[in-house]
Amino acid sequence: GAGVSQSPSNKVTEKGKDVELRCDPISGHTALYWYRQSLGQGLEFLIYFQGNSAPDKSGLPSDRFSAERTGGSVSTLTIQRTQQEDSAVYLCASSLGPGQFYGYTFGSGTRLTVV
Amino acid sequence: DQQVKQNSPSLSVQEGRISILNCDYTNSMFDYFLWYKKYPAEGPTFLISISSIKDKNEDGRFTVFLNKSAKHLSLHIVPSQPGDSAVYFCAASNPDSWGKLQFGAGTQVVVTP
Repeated sequence: GAGVSQSPSNKVTEKGKDVELRCDPISGHTALYWYRQSLGQGLEFLIYFQGNSAPDKSGLPSDRFSAERTGGSVSTLTIQRTQQEDSAVYLCASSLGPGQFYGYTFGSGTRLTVV
Repeated sequence: DQQVKQNSPSLSVQEGRISILNCDYTNSMFDYFLWYKKYPAEGPTFLISISSIKDKNEDGRFTVFLNKSAKHLSLHIVPSQPGDSAVYFCAASNPDSWGKLQFGAGTQVVVTP
């Protein structure tokens, strides 16, 4: 597609339920990132996929969070047993290569609300 | 630990005047800095960047200045236009965190007619 596509755009879930957020990056972009933005905060790094290398998971806040990228393309971020503090906008971005040289192209995000 | 800080959450400026957005950082290893612009309900879009080997980079109405000794950068928008009303994020990267960017909390700019 022309841009980075994320789905759903909005998700309301009950505390304790699992959620899956999807990201479809720009075709040919080897790097894919997940960030989240909580209310009043900056973008917080979660995880980074680069080609076939092992992902950088250093930003995942707890073991309830996981992500995978299948076939070097679509990525899914899974949050298990959601908590209210997980409420945030989850942003996916992709780039041709490492972001500091190419810049990211962001999707519009998924707004997650845990009630 | 917030390594990139934007201490002004909001800025109001008249159309035609200069907008100056500030960003401070704490990690001396940062070697590349970027500014992103975000409209409501959209993802951030890349605006302008600067390498640590430079102190200024200009692109049309947008200029970024870097003061490494002060660990400070700023974004100047001249002249400001109503379409510039958005949230602006400062971001930085270091060679030890290949590809990963650290973002500030953002500054909401409102350009008034």
